[in-house]
Amino acid sequence: DGGITQSPKYLFRKEGQNVTLSCEQNLNHDAMYWYRQDPGQGLRLIYYSQIVNDFQKGDIAEGYSVSREKKESFPLTVTSAQKNPTAFYLCASSTPGSGETQYFGPGTRLLVL
Amino acid sequence: AQSVTQPDIHITVSEGASLELRCNYSYGATPYLFWYVQSPGQGLQLLLKYFSGDTLVQGIKGFEAEFKRSQSSFNLRKPSVHWSDAAEYFCALLDTGTASKLTFGTGTRLQVTL
Repeated sequence: DGGITQSPKYLFRKEGQNVTLSCEQNLNHDAMYWYRQDPGQGLRLIYYSQIVNDFQKGDIAEGYSVSREKKESFPLTVTSAQKNPTAFYLCASSTPGSGETQYFGPGTRLLVL
Repeated sequence: AQSVTQPDIHITVSEGASLELRCNYSYGATPYLFWYVQSPGQGLQLLLKYFSGDTLVQGIKGFEAEFKRSQSSFNLRKPSVHWSDAAEYFCALLDTGTASKLTFGTGTRLQVTL
């Protein structure tokens, strides 16, 4: 089945630690996105990538980094510079062939110890 | 700048009753609009989308939405709600001019009473 997988489902971060969230898609989509979800605030865009080896900052990129070395993978690193990382993180992908519709993964919940 | 407003944070309806969730948008051109649903701790599932054409669009699970340009609205409706419809619903607008970025509303949480 085609889809988007995110791992782990839960992730715990210690103060000063960098952690990496995985996002993989087998939909052959060109574009991939990372969103952060906080209660009562909807989803906010962190980073997006329209093509391999290229990515752009979204609305809340500070304290985060990404890479896009393969079409199917778009990992997100939450760095120690992100002072309030506790949130639900959602990855999405899209392609012009899907009518620009974004499809979402199941999410990763990041908690701070 | 574009924006999406969902005025109702929380709505409670009885099972079998009709439902309307409100969504208003601000955008300078013809919008691409979406409704997504999210169950607790899960990702977002696409319910329906509007790009152009017929202003009444049908989606999955018996949902429909009507695009009204004059009111800058894209309200979601269902004639008879089921207990399994309890979830959070998000309206979103696609910025076709900026790498297909989605702007989301803050969501409406639907509770269904039996």
